[in-house]
Amino acid sequence: EVQLVESGGGLVQPGGSLRLSCAASGFTFSNYAMHWVRQASGKGLEYVSAISRDGGSTYYPDSVKGRFIISRDNSKNTLYLQMGSLTIEDMAVYYCTRGGKSTMTDYWGPGTLVTVSS
Amino acid sequence: DVVMTQSPLSLPVTLGQPASISCRSSQSLVYSDGNTYLIWFQQRPGQSPRRLIYKVSNRDSGVPDRFSGSGSGADFTLKISRVEAEDVGVYYCMQGTHWPYTFGQGTKLEIK
Repeated sequence: EVQLVESGGGLVQPGGSLRLSCAASGFTFSNYAMHWVRQASGKGLEYVSAISRDGGSTYYPDSVKGRFIISRDNSKNTLYLQMGSLTIEDMAVYYCTRGGKSTMTDYWGPGTLVTVSS
Repeated sequence: DVVMTQSPLSLPVTLGQPASISCRSSQSLVYSDGNTYLIWFQQRPGQSPRRLIYKVSNRDSGVPDRFSGSGSGADFTLKISRVEAEDVGVYYCMQGTHWPYTFGQGTKLEIK
């Protein structure tokens, strides 16, 4: 059974940093691109980043470019999101999800909540 | 970025009646490989999104056959043939053709 479990969320001050993790199981992690998507409370969904199967290619929308870094450790079946210079606009539930053209977003984790507040 | 526009944003439906949600993109979603990467999700209250339909019209495993997707190019539709109580939630379309991938605003389906 495919499982994705995010962790690392919490309370951080504006301007601070946080690293999220996503533990994957039930599939061959290294065979799939992986994505991060976020959802502010009561709002819609927004893509945050994507990474290729080997980690050699990464993608970011302008809203987080230069502040967020996606990475992965295929030996640990784990996806990461290093977030910096956080603002209240970054406050959201962060989900990890699978990539791949036909498999993209087929599985989602429960999400981890990031709260930005002083 | 590709803008995804859903309508309606609120959809009250009587149990057993059909429902339809439109999703339009600001540009064609046909990818260089010939496929169209348009996805539909359901998000029930308090839950993570669940993929229902991928590549316009392919239903995911376990999704009831009352859900169907159709469309082409930049104009897409999700239909529910007979709404059941468990269908309450927010429905999103998403394009996976042009980076950054983008979502529609969401359509909130409720029972009348």
